[in-house]
Amino acid sequence: SAVISQKPSRDICQRGTSLTIQCQVDSQVTMMFWYRQQPGQSLTLIATANQGSEATYESGFVIDKFPISRPNLTFSTLTVSNMSPEDSSIYLCSVVFEGGFNEQFFGPGTRLTVL
Amino acid sequence: GENVEQHPSTLSVQEGDSAVIKCTYSDSASNYFPWYKQELGKGPQLIIDIRSNVGEKKDQRIAVTLNKTAKHFSLHITETQPEDSAVYFCADSTSGTYKYIFGTGTRLKVLA
Repeated sequence: SAVISQKPSRDICQRGTSLTIQCQVDSQVTMMFWYRQQPGQSLTLIATANQGSEATYESGFVIDKFPISRPNLTFSTLTVSNMSPEDSSIYLCSVVFEGGFNEQFFGPGTRLTVL
Repeated sequence: GENVEQHPSTLSVQEGDSAVIKCTYSDSASNYFPWYKQELGKGPQLIIDIRSNVGEKKDQRIAVTLNKTAKHFSLHITETQPEDSAVYFCADSTSGTYKYIFGTGTRLKVLA
């Protein structure tokens, strides 16, 4: 079965700094998404990562804070910019595989703590 | 989907008993309903899903039922085992949008 990996798996960062999270898939995908899961909470969609063009952001999320790249079909990055303690969350990428219906499969997540 | 309510928020059952988690959605255009299991420190894992053209789907000890009229869908786990302990999320979606709306989650504890 396909593997979705994320780097780093966890990090502790100082406020005001930025962190870039990578998502890599070993199979062709049609869609890639980025979610945030605040401690003890459900999943909230940040944006859809579009290949070769600007990501599509959900209400409440902006490109300046969460720049996203997707240079090819199987790789995407999410940057959390100018971090504050409120950004402490798990960040998850998910994908829809080529030929799939609507099923999203998630990576293992990146656990971010901002001090 | 626009809003998904999930109940209960926590559920404790004895090993071997059944567990039922219920979700209610609001968008009548929703036609795809996945369930995810999230273990501590891991990403959500898709365990079962159902499309709006069927009322029930079963996979070994887990099943999902859908009532489109009432806009309810439920996850049923029979013969629960300690390894079923996790947080379970429901979601709804409309085909073609790929956008999921997640429920608030249910923390299931199976007591040995």
